[in-house]
Amino acid sequence: EADIYQTPRYLVIGTGKKITLECSQTMGHDKMYWYQQDPGMELHLIHYSYGVNSTEKGDLSSESTVSRIRTEHFPLTLESARPSHTSQYLCASSAWGGQSFYGYTFGSGTRLTVV
Amino acid sequence: AQSVTQLDSQVPVFEEAPVELRCNYSSSVSVYLFWYVQYPNQGLQLLLKYLSGSTLVKGINGFEAEFNKSQTSFHLRKPSVHISDTAEYFCAVSDRGNFNKFYFGSGTKLNVKP
Repeated sequence: EADIYQTPRYLVIGTGKKITLECSQTMGHDKMYWYQQDPGMELHLIHYSYGVNSTEKGDLSSESTVSRIRTEHFPLTLESARPSHTSQYLCASSAWGGQSFYGYTFGSGTRLTVV
Repeated sequence: AQSVTQLDSQVPVFEEAPVELRCNYSSSVSVYLFWYVQYPNQGLQLLLKYLSGSTLVKGINGFEAEFNKSQTSFHLRKPSVHISDTAEYFCAVSDRGNFNKFYFGSGTKLNVKP
């Protein structure tokens, strides 16, 4: 069962529009991430957060921005969408248990198409 | 930074046959290793992970993987596949010193034929 939720699942939007992709998790994880996934390519980290009011850019340059005002919520915003932003965006969270790292829990993704 | 190589972009296999999906990573520093599966139009689901201890790890759906430090590999295996195993499989590596960042391979599409 998914404990991390992304909305919308699919979005088709015109060039120049502002969009926000939502991501929420109910597990109380401190760390959250946004990945961009293109067909046949590896996932690329675009943003991550260690906790409330903490955000960092990832390895792949992105024109998007993120915010982390609440632990459970990590939205991603594109101020002006372009066709080059067409991709799948995956949100994830992670936690430690004792001395072990249990990996990421992923949402189902948002497939964005900019026309 | 790590790089992760999945040598096969697509693997076709017949139902009930064995399969191996290959994964190699670049750095010999201590790592955590993971395999994820992605079914069509879904997010990634954890199959199995290696954190420490036994180099042979077992995961869900009958999959297992073996960590080979000298060859920097973490190949995924299943002795008998089912149609329902058709999906894309991603190998991921995280440095123990920087577990906040995962490095993913480009994925292997497993196509199980009847």
